[in-house]
Amino acid sequence: QAGLTQPPSVSKGLRQTVTLTCTGNNNNVGDEGAGWLQQHQGLPPKLLCHRNHSRPSGISEKFSTSRSGNIAYLTITGLQPEDEADYYCSAWDRSLRVVFFGGGTKLTVL
Amino acid sequence: EVQLVESGGGLVQPGGSLRLSCAASGFPFNNENMNWVRQAPGKGLEWVSYISSSSSITHYADSVRGRFTVSRDNAKNSLYLQMDSLRVEDTAVYYCVTDYFVYWGQGTLVTVSS
Repeated sequence: QAGLTQPPSVSKGLRQTVTLTCTGNNNNVGDEGAGWLQQHQGLPPKLLCHRNHSRPSGISEKFSTSRSGNIAYLTITGLQPEDEADYYCSAWDRSLRVVFFGGGTKLTVL
Repeated sequence: EVQLVESGGGLVQPGGSLRLSCAASGFPFNNENMNWVRQAPGKGLEWVSYISSSSSITHYADSVRGRFTVSRDNAKNSLYLQMDSLRVEDTAVYYCVTDYFVYWGQGTLVTVSS
């Protein structure tokens, strides 16, 4: 199946750790991995992690990524109210020659 | 400081055309591959198009292929998106984005409605 799949919503408590998932296939996530972006309401998205797991300058170490087969993971530690946002994964599909974004996961910090 | 400023959005009737522009500054634009990404109201992100730094390679989402054309003018540090045969479902905020989605503009709203 084409495209990337993310759970629509996740809730976790203050100061807890959460891991978000992004499921693709051998031609996208399983090939070169996935990047992760954060978007707060009314603002443009912000890149958190490249598909090679490196973080752009200025991004906190509380955000980390990993991959196992066709599933990419974003782990956020020490959840704070400002982490409440929508999180998207993205990946290049070498077979279809397009970029996919996941549908996004809305993270709620309780 | 990297700046990407989109312009050209607005209200257009179905079947009409619009040309979006993106003025880039603060980085070597002529060395950077670029993307257009859109977001319909209340919806998620959708990649639209990619153009390589020299314009030699372009890619399009299935939903816009044959209707949209991406181009750039490196002498003017500008990126463009020509949108023809617009549909209601093309209504969205359109973002100009650098390679690997590192830097984003603030976006320009395109509304397709009769």
